[in-house]
Amino acid sequence: GAGVSQSPSNKVTEKGKDVELRCDPISGHTALYWYRQSLGQGLEFLIYFQGNSAPDKSGLPSDRFSAERTGGSVSTLTIQRTQQEDSAVYLCASSFEPKGVYGYTFGSGTRLTVV
Amino acid sequence: AQSVTQLGSHVSVSEGALVLLRCNYSSSVPPYLFWYVQYPNQGLQLLLKYTTGATLVKGINGFEAEFKKSETSFHLTKPSAHMSDAAEYFCAVRDNTNAGKSTFGDGTTLTVKP
Repeated sequence: GAGVSQSPSNKVTEKGKDVELRCDPISGHTALYWYRQSLGQGLEFLIYFQGNSAPDKSGLPSDRFSAERTGGSVSTLTIQRTQQEDSAVYLCASSFEPKGVYGYTFGSGTRLTVV
Repeated sequence: AQSVTQLGSHVSVSEGALVLLRCNYSSSVPPYLFWYVQYPNQGLQLLLKYTTGATLVKGINGFEAEFKKSETSFHLTKPSAHMSDAAEYFCAVRDNTNAGKSTFGDGTTLTVKP
């Protein structure tokens, strides 16, 4: 696609429910990143996929968070048993160059609200 | 680990005035540095980047930034602010591991007064 597409754009869920956030990167971009942006704060790295390599999961805040990338393209971030502190904007980004040397292209994000 | 510090969470300038947004980084190896801009309800957009070579880099919308190794700084400037420049700006440094992930500052909100 022309840009990084994320869905849904907004998600309101009840505490304790599971949610899935989707990211469709730019075609041909081999690297895909998930970041979280909490209100008034910077971006917090969550997870990084590069080709067929094992993902870098070092930023996932707890075992309730998981992500997968199917066929080297679309990625899904899953949050189980959501908590209020999970409320944030979840941003996906992709890059054609695997080491992130030239920067990322970001999607518009998914705003998650846990009530 | 690398880190980024953006001095001033809020900066306010008058239309036509100089814009200066400050960014300092820490890195044990030559860094790759970036500025991103985020308009309301949108994702981040790459404004400019420093990889190697010329230390003064030009980006979109008239912005530029200068990499100063001795000061570990990468400040963003624009000679004359436009109302449309009002946004949040993030400085980032590429992690020096093989992962390719970047570390972002906390952001600076730029307000432009008429």
